[in-house]
Amino acid sequence: DTGVSQDPRHKITKRGQNVTFRCDPISEHNRLYWYRQTLGQGPEFLTYFQNEAQLEKSRLLSDRFSAERPKGSFSTLEIQRTEQGDSAMYLCASSHPRTGNYGYTFGSGTRLTVV
Amino acid sequence: AQTVTQSQPEMSVQEAETVTLSCTYDTSESDYYLFWYKQPPSRQMILVIRQEAYKQQNATENRFSVNFQKAAKSFSLKISDSQLGDAAMYFCAYGANSGYALNFGKGTSLLVTP
Repeated sequence: DTGVSQDPRHKITKRGQNVTFRCDPISEHNRLYWYRQTLGQGPEFLTYFQNEAQLEKSRLLSDRFSAERPKGSFSTLEIQRTEQGDSAMYLCASSHPRTGNYGYTFGSGTRLTVV
Repeated sequence: AQTVTQSQPEMSVQEAETVTLSCTYDTSESDYYLFWYKQPPSRQMILVIRQEAYKQQNATENRFSVNFQKAAKSFSLKISDSQLGDAAMYFCAYGANSGYALNFGKGTSLLVTP
């Protein structure tokens, strides 16, 4: 059990570019979540996967954002045409049904800076 | 919509002393969960303590305990015998039993002084 892994840890990109982040959950965790945390705020929910199915999406997940979880293993979060307002920490978490609702293990996050 | 309010942006405590962090929430649900998470600088979010709303008994985890007042929609965290390693951002969070998304407060930055 190596925990929830997120890659990269930091990403600096120019406005208008596309970026993709990866999250590797704990093996056997079939539930995966993405959150966004801006400076001075608590994390905000973006989306939730159960296995490969995306079951819940926040209205924060605009058309420029897309998340996938092929084969129910790792997940990717892509942001197209990045804007300065996208600068934030993107957190991934996973959980196992055995741990019940919200039995999250968080990753260390990917910090995105849009310049 | 559920909201979580942490009214203390910063708190300070001396080592070995006790500190209480405040949290209030708003919901129309009757069945839900409440959490306190700790986020050290540049490190991952860690669960400190969890409370199920249907349980009347306050949750306790070693030096950490909560005061859950369901009618008042209040959920405070007490840290006893504070240690330097307790310094971090502390987030209060709410989750409805029917959902999967946590609603977080803005956090309280806890400073522990020697």
